[in-house]
Amino acid sequence: KQEVTQIPAALSVPEGENLVLNCSFTDSAIYNLQWFRQDPGKGLTSLLLIQSSQREQTSGRLNASLDKSSGRSTLYIAASQPGDSATYLCAASNQAGTALIFGKGTTLSVSS
Amino acid sequence: GAVVSQHPSWVICKSGTSVKIECRSLDFQATTMFWYRQFPKQSLMLMATSNEGSKATYEQGVEKDKFLINHASLTLSTLTVTSAHPEDSSFYICSARKAAGGFYNEQFFGPGTRLTVL
Repeated sequence: KQEVTQIPAALSVPEGENLVLNCSFTDSAIYNLQWFRQDPGKGLTSLLLIQSSQREQTSGRLNASLDKSSGRSTLYIAASQPGDSATYLCAASNQAGTALIFGKGTTLSVSS
Repeated sequence: GAVVSQHPSWVICKSGTSVKIECRSLDFQATTMFWYRQFPKQSLMLMATSNEGSKATYEQGVEKDKFLINHASLTLSTLTVTSAHPEDSSFYICSARKAAGGFYNEQFFGPGTRLTVL
């Protein structure tokens, strides 16, 4: 059964710093992996989706990588801003059409 | 495109009452919708998978008679919490997968429904 783990659980950085959020999964036979952002009391905002055949995806200041062999994905945030403060969730699906398995998230706080 | 709505966004009810939550895909057809539950400071846990025109598949530990799911059309799934109790208070989020033209199994999430049972 797929399990997704995110480390660290919380992270505080000053504005402008580059940072990396980590996600690991137990079953390397994933179909795809998604990174989401969740603001307090709100729903999910999809950030990046990486297909199993891909190594990385980029959107603006965000870059997500996927290494199936090691069971890891990272979300790189460049030049962090206070508006980036939120909880970041990593989720994996094992087959097309199946639900996502979520990690517990990393709560990021960027101070100005 | 690919917008999913939920209604209501929040609801407060008395213990013992039933509450219905709607999940709609506004600009696409969804053969599959998923219902998740999120307790405070916890991650999303899958409750059930809902396929249009068939019975929902529930995850282990989720009572199907308590959490009734109906996926009557390609754009609407409903979750009814029957005889709600305070321990059912949670954030309920749905997601939808496109029937066609979907990109790599991408799922689109609704904004969530905050249920508080008194």
